[in-house]
Amino acid sequence: KAGVTQTPRYLIKTRGQQVTLSCSPISGHRSVSWYQQTPGQGLQFLFEYFSETQRNKGNFPGRFSGRQFSNSRSEMNVSTLELGDSALYLCASHDRVDSTEAFFGQGTRLTVV
Amino acid sequence: AQRVTQPEKLLSVFKGAPVELKCNYSYSGSPELFWYVQYSRQRLQLLLRHISRESIKGFTADLNKGETSFHLKKPFAQEEDSAMYYCALSSSGSARQLTFGSGTQLTVLP
Repeated sequence: KAGVTQTPRYLIKTRGQQVTLSCSPISGHRSVSWYQQTPGQGLQFLFEYFSETQRNKGNFPGRFSGRQFSNSRSEMNVSTLELGDSALYLCASHDRVDSTEAFFGQGTRLTVV
Repeated sequence: AQRVTQPEKLLSVFKGAPVELKCNYSYSGSPELFWYVQYSRQRLQLLLRHISRESIKGFTADLNKGETSFHLKKPFAQEEDSAMYYCALSSSGSARQLTFGSGTQLTVLP
């Protein structure tokens, strides 16, 4: 079974631009969570989707948004990029609502210059 | 608000020595606790979960609600245990929304 796939792996953007990151969960998994990882703040929860609906959202500004498609693939978008948005963005998939295991992707390394 | 604290950023032990990675949490309800591990150049993956009360790769962790701790222990460390370890908490019981600690980098010396 293929693992969680995140694309692209690396990205460089300029301040003020927007960016879209993609996550394909493990086949059959219907829930996807997103995390931001930085040296200063560690791993922080962004949001979580199940069956195309956002179920939970972390404490991030409205510039961070996401969506999930009918095939469970998910995208997250960050608009008006700031230098502080430079981070590793991790996606995790879950096989069911009450799953106690998160399967993580390799992450997308975003650098804002 | 829930919070997970891992007081040690770096921890080094010799092969064969016991190892304990500390994790303390603050949460008013009954949380579920997890340990995740990231080996060099690999993905973050689940090591063990409180609810299962299991031992994985010789590691165990006991939830102490009185001390609000979930320390990870192994009696005899191996070089392949060298990795980054994260303690995580879920208020919902599932792993869909986790609060992570800052992580402890464990190095097992030969």
